[in-house]
Amino acid sequence: GIQVEQSPPDLILQEGANSTLRCNFSDSVNNLQWFHQNPWGQLINLFYIPSGTKQNGRLSATTVATERYSLLYISSSQTTDSGVYFCAVDPGSSNTGKLIFGQGTTLQVKP
Amino acid sequence: NAGVTQTPKFRVLKTGQSMTLLCAQDMNHEYMYWYRQDPGMGLRLIHYSVGEGTTAKGEVPDGYNVSRLKKQNFLLGLESAAPSQTSVYFCASSYVLAGFSYEQYFGPGTRLTVT
Repeated sequence: GIQVEQSPPDLILQEGANSTLRCNFSDSVNNLQWFHQNPWGQLINLFYIPSGTKQNGRLSATTVATERYSLLYISSSQTTDSGVYFCAVDPGSSNTGKLIFGQGTTLQVKP
Repeated sequence: NAGVTQTPKFRVLKTGQSMTLLCAQDMNHEYMYWYRQDPGMGLRLIHYSVGEGTTAKGEVPDGYNVSRLKKQNFLLGLESAAPSQTSVYFCASSYVLAGFSYEQYFGPGTRLTVT
């Protein structure tokens, strides 16, 4: 089955710094989504981005489907950005939203 | 709108007991999903449903059953709980357009411990 790899596994930043999180996937996908899991466990959908670039405030994401990777950019990080960031993909053989999750990147933003 | 809600939030079971987790969504979404999350890992799909009255297996379906009798509800059952089913369970839903599913919205999770 499809493999989803995220890097780095852990990241520590000072408040105000920028960061880039990467997601590589091993096969074609119907869709790709980025999620933030906050320290209380809630999963928030950040982006639905099967291809192209989207921006939402200090966050932006780019997916290059032909090269099988996606990037999540966090600018001017804040302590509330702490948590785990997951990339998840729906393999090309399915349109049912059966997401395969990566292992996540754990981000800690220090004040 | 409440979005996606899950009942209960916490539960402790003894090995061999049964229970049902309830997921409800008020967004009129067609597709619904049950995932489990184990420590230090991403989420894994247990079962999913593409419409009322339909269910299908995901990556890790063994030991679980599901039902989708109403569009807004998706139930996850454990018939005979095992310690390996200790996990956090998340329900999600998504809308469909032209045969494609879009953003998934997650409930707050149910923390289940089996002793």
